[in-house]
Amino acid sequence: LAKTTQPISMDSYEGQEVNITCSHNNIATNDYITWYQQFPSQGPRFIIQGYKTKVTNEVASLFIPADRKSSTLSLPRVSLSDTAVYYCLVGDTGNTDKLIFGTGTRLQVFP
Amino acid sequence: NAGVTQTPKFQVLKTGQSMTLQCAQDMNHNSMYWYRQDPGMGLRLIYYSASEGTTDKGEVPNGYNVSRLNKREFSLRLESAAPSQTSVYFCASSEWPGAGETQYFGPGTRLLVL
Repeated sequence: LAKTTQPISMDSYEGQEVNITCSHNNIATNDYITWYQQFPSQGPRFIIQGYKTKVTNEVASLFIPADRKSSTLSLPRVSLSDTAVYYCLVGDTGNTDKLIFGTGTRLQVFP
Repeated sequence: NAGVTQTPKFQVLKTGQSMTLQCAQDMNHNSMYWYRQDPGMGLRLIYYSASEGTTDKGEVPNGYNVSRLNKREFSLRLESAAPSQTSVYFCASSEWPGAGETQYFGPGTRLLVL
């Protein structure tokens, strides 16, 4: 299984860029890397997904090095509303064995 | 387009009582999932349905049963509730099964078993 490792928590201030790294040394060839965001008392919400190099959308960027053994979620200029738990999932289509959310990274943004 | 809906939002049960959590999605997704989330923990997969007519166990299936009623609906049943089942339950759906597919989550059901 492509077990993932993330920092338990991170602190930041409004306006700063936040980078959350996820390690996944056993990633398989067909695996994608997907990040979710979860606010208190809500279900997780999809943020971004990538396979290699860099992916950017209106919310975040995802950087994946060539060996794909890690990935970095980048949140530009965070605000208080970005305070949440962020989960990294690694897996492919069709294989539910890899649906492991772990404990995620708790990001606290301060004013 | 409501996405994934869950009922009830909150429920209190006594030990030994039974109940069914309901989930429905309107995105025409093939796959549906039930997770539980305990305080300060990540989500753990209870059961999933890769496609209409199929169900399979996840990481923590003991004490639960599921029914994929049709393509839209996936219910979770607790036959004899225990305090250890106090948790928040999330239903999710995706177009196809697997961690590589984007999952869409419902708002959750908060269950307290006394």
